Amino acid sequence: GDSVTQMEGPVTLSEEAFLTINCTYTATGYPSLFWYVQYPGEGLQLLLKATKADDKGSNKGFEATYRKETTSFHLEKGSVQVSDSAVYFCALKGYSTLTFGKGTMLLVSP
Amino acid sequence: DAGVIQSPRHEVTEMGQEVTLRCKPISGHNSLFWYRQTMMRGLELLIYFNNNVPIDDSGMPEDRFSAKMPNASFSTLKIQPSEPRDSAVYFCASSRTSGDADTQYFGPGTRLTVL
Repeated sequence: GDSVTQMEGPVTLSEEAFLTINCTYTATGYPSLFWYVQYPGEGLQLLLKATKADDKGSNKGFEATYRKETTSFHLEKGSVQVSDSAVYFCALKGYSTLTFGKGTMLLVSP
Repeated sequence: DAGVIQSPRHEVTEMGQEVTLRCKPISGHNSLFWYRQTMMRGLELLIYFNNNVPIDDSGMPEDRFSAKMPNASFSTLKIQPSEPRDSAVYFCASSRTSGDADTQYFGPGTRLTVL
């Protein structure tokens, strides 16, 4: 079945550092890929998505590119802020529902 | 626009009691999802509905859990009887079935503690 694997956290960075959170997936067909973010005490919010190979999703300075050849969708940001501290979930949508990774906590210190 | 609304936000109950969680999806969304989030198991899909009809309940852990969607604007998740291992954050999410159908919009969650 479908599955998503993302790097375990926490990822601890200083403000303005470069961020990469790795995500790889296993799926049949051509799924859509997502990154969701969960701030403390809140529900998940869509951060960005890509629906086909080589698409780049971007939002709020975050980017991820749909790489079919490596079945990956790594999240990147050039300069993180303290306000980016949250849990980030990679997900895919195959035939019917979303399959989530286990989440990666990001902690950004001033 | 109002987002997904869940109530209560926090629930503390004793083992054996019945618990009912409520969800109001975004107006115009035809699909509704119930998830459970724990540290050990992460985010798990429990059940989802399309046009008020349950489509897949394979994630419902056992017969103590039941979910209903009597109309397009309301759904409940009931646990009877509740057990300490049911303690978790329960999320409701909704989506369209056309256009932006890939994107699910999550509510703020209900934090359930069963003593």
